[in-house]
Amino acid sequence: AQSVAQPEDQVNVAEGNPLTVKCTYSVSGNPYLFWYVQYPNRGLQFLLKYITGDNLVKGSYGFEAEFNKSQTSFHLKKPSALVSDSALYFCAVRHSLGGKLIFGQGTELSVKP
Amino acid sequence: DGGITQSPKYLFRKEGQNVTLSCEQNLNHDAMYWYRQDPGQGLRLIYYSQIVNDFQKGDIAEGYSVSREKKESFPLTVTSAQKNPTAFYLCASTPGQGPQDTQYFGPGTRLTVL
Repeated sequence: AQSVAQPEDQVNVAEGNPLTVKCTYSVSGNPYLFWYVQYPNRGLQFLLKYITGDNLVKGSYGFEAEFNKSQTSFHLKKPSALVSDSALYFCAVRHSLGGKLIFGQGTELSVKP
Repeated sequence: DGGITQSPKYLFRKEGQNVTLSCEQNLNHDAMYWYRQDPGQGLRLIYYSQIVNDFQKGDIAEGYSVSREKKESFPLTVTSAQKNPTAFYLCASTPGQGPQDTQYFGPGTRLTVL
């Protein structure tokens, strides 16, 4: 069965510092991996996805994520955090052969000035 | 959120009432989905539809019903059989049915049972 874990409920970062939001997955085969961001009382916005190819994926708003097959991880990163990055972040995984998109429980990112 | 609209944004329901949440998309997407979001539980799939006049149950379909009579519309009815319907409901769509397709989300409807 597929699963995804976001081990941190909350991440606190100072503005200007690098940020990392962690995600690990479990899929018996090749995964397709996604990151979304959600602002309060809004829908999810797509940030980036890994399908195949280069392990470093660049997405919207300066975010990037690195696919690490040996560690089954897909951590979201940004070199310099902004206060406006404060939001709820979701990692999601789907098997490359199909099936449902499975979401993690979310990580609340708080960026302080 | 562009291209997918959900209405109303906030909805209040008395116990025992059925309510219908609207989801419309103008993206010409084939597949549409309904999720329920509760604090600390991520998103859980209620129903999905890959083509007009066809839909499948997700993980938590009990107490919910859907229809897909038009490609652009996928309304969700929360029935009185749903024991704990207070939640944030999200509609999504994808261009096709491939596993690589990105799901795009609407702005959500917050349902509160009084």
